[in-house]
Amino acid sequence: GAGVSQSPRYKVAKRGQDVALRCDPISGHVSLFWYQQALGQGPEFLTYFQNEAQLDKSGLPSDRFFAERPEGSVSTLKIQRTQQEDSAVYLCASSAGQGDYGYTFGSGTRLTVV
Amino acid sequence: GENVEQHPSTLSVQEGDSAVIKCTYSDSASNYFPWYKQELGKRPQLIIDIRSNVGEKKDQRIAVTLNKTAKHFSLHITETQPEDSAVYFCAASIENSGYALNFGKGTSLLVTP
Repeated sequence: GAGVSQSPRYKVAKRGQDVALRCDPISGHVSLFWYQQALGQGPEFLTYFQNEAQLDKSGLPSDRFFAERPEGSVSTLKIQRTQQEDSAVYLCASSAGQGDYGYTFGSGTRLTVV
Repeated sequence: GENVEQHPSTLSVQEGDSAVIKCTYSDSASNYFPWYKQELGKRPQLIIDIRSNVGEKKDQRIAVTLNKTAKHFSLHITETQPEDSAVYFCAASIENSGYALNFGKGTSLLVTP
């Protein structure tokens, strides 16, 4: 596609509910990143994939967060047993990799846990 | 890990004036420094970037300077326009992290007509 697509655009979850956020990167982009952006803050790194391999998950805040990219294209970020502190915008970005540093961000999923 | 500090947190200028935003970073291994503009409710958009082998880069009204010795870099916007109003984020990254970005906390720029 022409850009990075994320769905849903908005998600309201009850505390304790599991959620799944989807990212569809630009076709052919090797690198995929997830970031969490709290209100009024800069994006915080969560995890990074190169093709289907998850090379860095050091930013995932707890074991309730899990990300996958099984076929090296679409990625899903799953949050189990959501808590209020998980409320944020979750941004996905992709890049061609191999020395192409420029990211393209998706519009994000705004998660509100009530 | 890398720590990026950004200031000021808010900046108000008159249309036509210049705006300067400064960032410092802690990890001397960082070698890629992009700047993003984010309008309310929208995605961050790359406006300019600089690599560690370059000291300055310009793109029309926007310029970025990098001082590797002092570990700081700055964004300069000249002849500001109301449409420049947004939140600006600096970031730093390292090649061997796949260029995962460490962002500053952002500067909210307001350009008044």
